[in-house]
Amino acid sequence: DQQVKQNSPSLSVQEGRISILNCDYTNSMFDYFLWYKKYPAEGPTFLISISSIKDKNEDGRFTVFLNKSAKHLSLHIVPSQPGDSAVYFCAASTSYDKVIFGPGTSLSVIP
Amino acid sequence: EAQVTQNPRYLITVTGKKLTVTCSQNMNHEYMSWYRQDPGLGLRQIYYSMNVEVTDKGDVPEGYKVSRKEKRNFPLILESPSPNQTSLYFCASSFLPRTAYYGYTFGSGTRLTVV
Repeated sequence: DQQVKQNSPSLSVQEGRISILNCDYTNSMFDYFLWYKKYPAEGPTFLISISSIKDKNEDGRFTVFLNKSAKHLSLHIVPSQPGDSAVYFCAASTSYDKVIFGPGTSLSVIP
Repeated sequence: EAQVTQNPRYLITVTGKKLTVTCSQNMNHEYMSWYRQDPGLGLRQIYYSMNVEVTDKGDVPEGYKVSRKEKRNFPLILESPSPNQTSLYFCASSFLPRTAYYGYTFGSGTRLTVV
């Protein structure tokens, strides 16, 4: 039973447009949420995180939104660039020693 | 350069032949962890360590062992590998206590095939 779900295995977006990656979770005890980005043949790299006490966090072109009542978060990338093409993992944590990852969404940004 | 180094990058082995995947970090991180990545399942935690001589099971520990004798090293041991352990493995590390907030640093991965 997956506690962190990413229902879209893949997403294609035109360069310059907005990319929206979605994530749902089942455990209401999660208190931190993170997004990681992974290129082929490399390890995942930390992108952005959000605490459960916030509903939005921005870092440049990346914004994460959290809707606790719906147990849903999303990552917005604006504007999308070809270099953003990668697999994006959503992750959640109930404590500082355990992080649970979703299955990932493969984003393709088309020039 | 701050990094997590895993070796080897690729490994093909036979069922039952003991192997060790090494992981080393140069950031003085307290927390280290091993994950495996499988299609459709994301990254699943195998074992983690909060500090030297402190290790605990993750979600999928069966068939694996770890040790943390030094702060910088966290090897993953497969005593008797089986084909269902064919996977992509990642080592990760971070500072405590806010691992979740600051994120992990991951190694580049080890592609293991057990035949």
